Amino acid sequence: NAGVTQTPKFQVLKTGQSMTLQCAQDMNHEYMSWYRQDPGMGLRLIHYSVGAGITDQGEVPNGYNVSRSTTEDFPLRLLSAAPSQTSVYFCASSHTLHGGALGAGELFFGEGSRLTVL
Amino acid sequence: LAKTTQPISMDSYEGQEVNITCSHNNIATNDYITWYQQFPSQGPRFIIQGYKTKVTNEVASLFIPADRKSSTLSLPRVSLSDTAVYYCLVATQYNFNKFYFGSGTKLNVKP
Repeated sequence: NAGVTQTPKFQVLKTGQSMTLQCAQDMNHEYMSWYRQDPGMGLRLIHYSVGAGITDQGEVPNGYNVSRSTTEDFPLRLLSAAPSQTSVYFCASSHTLHGGALGAGELFFGEGSRLTVL
Repeated sequence: LAKTTQPISMDSYEGQEVNITCSHNNIATNDYITWYQQFPSQGPRFIIQGYKTKVTNEVASLFIPADRKSSTLSLPRVSLSDTAVYYCLVATQYNFNKFYFGSGTKLNVKP
């Protein structure tokens, strides 16, 4: 019953450092995405992927890179961390449409990764 | 892009029915209306989804009028454990980059 697993849960970086937030799901979901959540801002979509080898930008992609080499994993990379990237990051996954199935899909979220950039 | 508007916060008491309304004037034909619940330090959790009229599950009901420009999440007989942020999301799987969450409604249930 792992679902969506994010690591690490907490991380402190210095400005300019790089790091990767890991996200893995064991539900064979095609769709995976990353959100950031800041106080009073709700969740904002950073990047998403609809399958291995396919990624696209969301609402706030600048400063972040992603790749999707397998169905299970969707890492988020910060190449040069900035204090503005201090936030809580959530990974989510869902099935995509198959043969005309209806609905917008149920998103399954990880527990979040709290990042502080000094 | 079908943005949503919700009240920032609501107060209620244990045992009451709570109705949270979401406005989505620009909803598209293929969009579905979905509600999520988020507790502090946790990721959001799916509550209910609908397209039109009324949908009910074991935890909530969703009322959608004929014009679909708004929707109402109804939580029957709330308890303290229902204190959370509730998000209204309007999206379709035809546009995966449209899975935008607003600021949500902070529901505070008092004893």
